[in-house]
Amino acid sequence: QSALTQPASVSGSPGQSITISCTGTSSDVGGYNYVSWYQQHPGKAPKLMIYDVSNRPSGVSNRFSGSKSGNTASLTISGLQAEDEADYYCSSYTSSSTSYWVFGGGTKLTVL
Amino acid sequence: EVQLVESGGGLVQPGGSLRLSCAASGFTFSSYWMHWVRQAPGKGLVWVSRINSDGSSTSYADSVKGRFTISRDNAKNTLYLQMNSLRAEDTAVYYCASFSGWYAAYWGQGTLVTVSS
Repeated sequence: QSALTQPASVSGSPGQSITISCTGTSSDVGGYNYVSWYQQHPGKAPKLMIYDVSNRPSGVSNRFSGSKSGNTASLTISGLQAEDEADYYCSSYTSSSTSYWVFGGGTKLTVL
Repeated sequence: EVQLVESGGGLVQPGGSLRLSCAASGFTFSSYWMHWVRQAPGKGLVWVSRINSDGSSTSYADSVKGRFTISRDNAKNTLYLQMNSLRAEDTAVYYCASFSGWYAAYWGQGTLVTVSS
């Protein structure tokens, strides 16, 4: 069981917007602005898409945006494109004594 | 261009040992914290361990504490993960990642470790 909770799957049609949620606790998502999101295509390494809740690295499309409210962070992808189909993982620093950095279980995005 | 290249994976029997390496280039390796993250077949990402920039501080997931040791050689721009007492549940692709602030800015391509008799 992952420390952060994400929906197993989401789907949308090209051009639509989707949102993936990531729920943690006050020890991780809610307590720090250190949430990041990663995209992973099959057989490939993860790629950073959002860092520090809402910042986009250079080169990442502005169709990707992040936000946070309380213990839940969200990744929104607007104007869905076929190439967005992938697994998405949220992560956060945690002050838990049993870990240091935690991930969500991942969300499979299907572009219909 | 930043590059992280893992090596050292393979097939090992339960109870055995392996040492993974991660060769870094394209950035000032000695200035960055480094992490290992693993992904079991068909499963999600799981944090394994981290080391600070000069190697003086480390952290481990409970599942590997006491069995795995992270280290680095800044003169060789290389990160290591010594894995002992390996178990079937350690089977995974192991990624090294460079941290910038509190996020993994760059990832290697991964190396597969299979623990099986």
